[in-house]
Amino acid sequence: QVQVVESGGGVVQPGTSLRLSCAASGFTFNTFGFHWVRQAPGKGLEWLAVVWYNGSNIRYTDSVKGRFTISRDNSKNTLYLQMNSLRVEDTAVYYCARDLEPYCGGDCPFNYWGQGTLVIVSS
Amino acid sequence: SYVLTQPPSLSVAPGKTARITCGGNNIGSKSVHWYQQKPGQAPVLVIYYDTDRPSGIPERFSGSNFGNTATLTISRVEAGDEADYYCQVWDSSSDPFGGGTKLTVL
Repeated sequence: QVQVVESGGGVVQPGTSLRLSCAASGFTFNTFGFHWVRQAPGKGLEWLAVVWYNGSNIRYTDSVKGRFTISRDNSKNTLYLQMNSLRVEDTAVYYCARDLEPYCGGDCPFNYWGQGTLVIVSS
Repeated sequence: SYVLTQPPSLSVAPGKTARITCGGNNIGSKSVHWYQQKPGQAPVLVIYYDTDRPSGIPERFSGSNFGNTATLTISRVEAGDEADYYCQVWDSSSDPFGGGTKLTVL
């Protein structure tokens, strides 16, 4: 069955870096696009970034552009989010989510989500 | 940027119909997806491409999208439907998620 599992969250100080991972299984990883979505405590969902199935296209929301980098290793069935220059306002649960359909051009709905990993940025 | 507007909250009695709206300029020309999120859990896709329902989602959940408003309709509301609901619309210039609606079952 399809599984999507995030890891790498934790408590970090402002200005530091953290790398999140999302391990996927149960399907052909290199045919699906993936996204990172976060949710600050008590707040709504915020889409952060997408990487297409083959890594050829990447897009970010403005609030993380230049600080966060999404990437994927199709040989390891793993998605990553490198987060640099972290701010207090980056505190959130971070989810990875898979496109509903294979070979989607970054505008599909998401039908599989991980359980989320909590990132706390605090001094 | 493309703005999606959802009512922050909605209360419905069990057995009644809940209609959760998502407003946007000419949203009827775009595809709308809906997610349900219960406390402490990841979101779950309940409606996609305006009206399609994933396997495992009860037929009580349905969607429509016309003009400037998309609507998620939950018929015969049950206590287990209490959750936050988010609409999603892809527009290259904006965050695709609406602000969310908290559905309370009275």
